[in-house]
Amino acid sequence: QKEVEQNSGPLSVPEGAIASLNCTYSDRGSQSFFWYRQYSGKSPELIMSIYSNGDKEDGRFTAQLNKASQYVSLLIRDSQPSDSATYLCAVIRDYKLSFGAGTTVTVRA
Amino acid sequence: GAGVSQSPRYKVAKRGQDVALRCDPISGHVSLFWYQQALGQGPEFLTYFQNEAQLDKSGLPSDRFFAERPEGSVSTLKIQRTQQEDSAVYLCASSLVGGREETQYFGPGTRLLVL
Repeated sequence: QKEVEQNSGPLSVPEGAIASLNCTYSDRGSQSFFWYRQYSGKSPELIMSIYSNGDKEDGRFTAQLNKASQYVSLLIRDSQPSDSATYLCAVIRDYKLSFGAGTTVTVRA
Repeated sequence: GAGVSQSPRYKVAKRGQDVALRCDPISGHVSLFWYQQALGQGPEFLTYFQNEAQLDKSGLPSDRFFAERPEGSVSTLKIQRTQQEDSAVYLCASSLVGGREETQYFGPGTRLLVL
């Protein structure tokens, strides 16, 4: 079992819709949780971080964390074609980041 | 420099050849990380430096992989006797001190192809 699992995708959503991404992790010692966006051929870019249970909103992005269920999610509201990318869920214990395989999102104009 | 830089951006090596990949972290960042990203996968941790000290090398796949950061700034990842399974993107990241709530900033990566 991989340490971080993401819904496999790819996920195709129409422009303006909500994209919903899910992630589970196996290490209960994980301390912080991140969502990175990676455009094809580019490096990962941090878009959201969340450290405690509940929701965190930043613009069109909302991250949710449930430590009891070992579950992290990302909602992208009002999806734009520029949101088309692979989204990587990552968890950290001390300094070590562990990533999921990513979910590829395509926003249809 | 504004961000993490890596060189070369692309490297083609013949099987058995040695390669060296360079990373220049963000100025002042104490912590430096190397990751390996295979096609269609997320990055996998290789090794971690705090200043010049290599505190964790548990992710290095074999003893053919070696990393150093002798002066606590620039780092080099060396792969000896490259194999086809070493083909991947090698990402370097840096952060201020390496804390669990800190952002790790990634460089553009070096795409290694071993023929």
